[in-house]
Amino acid sequence: AQTVTQSQPEMSVQEAETVTLSCTYDTSESDYYLFWYKQPPSRQMILVIRQEAYKQQNATENRFSVNFQKAAKSFSLKISDSQLGDAAMYFCALFTSGTYKYIFGTGTRLKVLA
Amino acid sequence: ETGVTQTPRHLVMGMTNKKSLKCEQHLGHNAMYWYKQSAKKPLELMFVYNFKEQTENNSVPSRFSPECPNSSHLFLHLHTLQPEDSALYLCASSQNDRGRTEAFFGQGTRLTVV
Repeated sequence: AQTVTQSQPEMSVQEAETVTLSCTYDTSESDYYLFWYKQPPSRQMILVIRQEAYKQQNATENRFSVNFQKAAKSFSLKISDSQLGDAAMYFCALFTSGTYKYIFGTGTRLKVLA
Repeated sequence: ETGVTQTPRHLVMGMTNKKSLKCEQHLGHNAMYWYKQSAKKPLELMFVYNFKEQTENNSVPSRFSPECPNSSHLFLHLHTLQPEDSALYLCASSQNDRGRTEAFFGQGTRLTVV
C-alpha cells in the first residue's frame, strides 16, 4: 500500500524568511513521482513542484525547491523568501505508475506573518 | 485557470434529491479522477477513469455513481445522500504518460447535504 505522511499540521514563517515542510512516503513501486500542491482559500489545487523518482537531482521552481531523499523516502519542500501569497494548505502527493493513483497527505497549513 | 472546470461551484441538496456534478477538461488528458475533501481528513480518492474505463472504485457507497461518457467529461451522480457526505468534491485530470503525470484540479464543488 502507498502512504503519504505530513507530520506538521501547521507552520508559520515570517515574510521573507525560509520555511521547510516535511513529507514522508512509502511505496513498493520503483516508478513513481512526487508532488507538492498548494491549495489557497480559493480551493484550487495548484501544482507547486514535481520530482521524478528516477532523477537524483532535486527539483527547483523559482523560490521553491525540494530535498528528495529516496532511501529515506523523504520529500520536503523548501520555500525561500516567503511571501504573503504563499499562505495556503500544502499537500504532498505520490503517484505510482503501476496504480495510476495520486495519494495525498493530510496537508500542512502555512501561515506567513507580515 | 488549470483547464479543468467543475460545475456547480456550490450545491445544497436534500437527502432525497438527485443531483449531478460535472467536470470538464480541455487538456487532452486520458485520465480523470474524483476526490472527496473533508475537513481534517486526507483527500479521499473515489473514482479513477483511464481512457474512459473505470479502473478504481475505492469502496465508495452506491449513492455515488460516476459516469465518463468521453475522455473530456466526468460526472458524479448523487442520490439519497447523507449529511456526512457534505464535503468539497474535487475533479482532476492527468496524462499518464511517463514524464507528464501531474494532476490538474478543478476548483471543486462545495456540497452541503441537509
